[in-house]
Amino acid sequence: GAGVSQSPSNKVTEKGKDVELRCDPISGHTALYWYRQSLGQGLEFLIYFQGNSAPDKSGLPSDRFSAERTGGSVSTLTIQRTQQEDSAVYLCASSPGLAFSYNEQFFGPGTRLTVL
Amino acid sequence: AQRVTQPEKLLSVFKGAPVELKCNYSYSGSPELFWYVQYSRQRLQLLLRHISRESIKGFTADLNKGETSFHLKKPFAQEEDSAMYYCALRGSGAGSYQLTFGKGTKLSVIP
Repeated sequence: GAGVSQSPSNKVTEKGKDVELRCDPISGHTALYWYRQSLGQGLEFLIYFQGNSAPDKSGLPSDRFSAERTGGSVSTLTIQRTQQEDSAVYLCASSPGLAFSYNEQFFGPGTRLTVL
Repeated sequence: AQRVTQPEKLLSVFKGAPVELKCNYSYSGSPELFWYVQYSRQRLQLLLRHISRESIKGFTADLNKGETSFHLKKPFAQEEDSAMYYCALRGSGAGSYQLTFGKGTKLSVIP
C-alpha cells in the first residue's frame, strides 16, 4: 500500500498568516509523529499521537503550534501567526503499534514551509 | 535529557575506501539506537537498529555502552552510499516514543 503522505509538499506564506499541514499515515498505523527539520539542524520532535490522543505536547515550540488527529488517521499541524523562524521542513511519521515497544517509524516526504 | 551528537557535518571518501560515520549519545538508561538514511530526493528511511545486529547494504553499527557510541561502518564505500545519515536514539521504558536525532552527516563518495 501507499506510504505516509503529506500535503502540501511546499507552502510559501507571509509572516503572520496561519498555515495547516496535513499528514495521512499508513493505513492501520495507530501511532503518528510530527518532526521539524530546520536548516542546519537535526530533526526536532514536535508531538506524538497514539490514536487520537496526544500524551505529550511539550515538544511544540510555542502556543502558536497545535495539532490534532481525527478518526485515528489523518493529522493536521496548525501554525498560527507564522514567523520567519517557523520556516523548516515538517516531517510526519507513523508506526504500527504501541509506543513503548519499538515499531519502525515510516516517514512521509515532508512539507517545506517558507515564511516570508 | 537525551542527546545525539554527530561530529561531522560532511564526510568525503573515495569509492572503495572504508567509511565510518560517528555517533555519540547521552542517555541515563539503556537506549535504543538507530541509523536513518536520506538519499537525494527520497524520504527518510530506517537503515539499521542496534537490537537487530544486522548488516544492511554492507553497513554495520555496534553499540558501545562504555563509550556511548554507535558508529556506522562500511568496509568499502560505493557511490550509491552518498546520502545524509542520521543517528537517532529512543529511550527505554513506557512513555519513550520519540526519536532524538543527531544533526546528520552528509556522506559523499567520490568516484
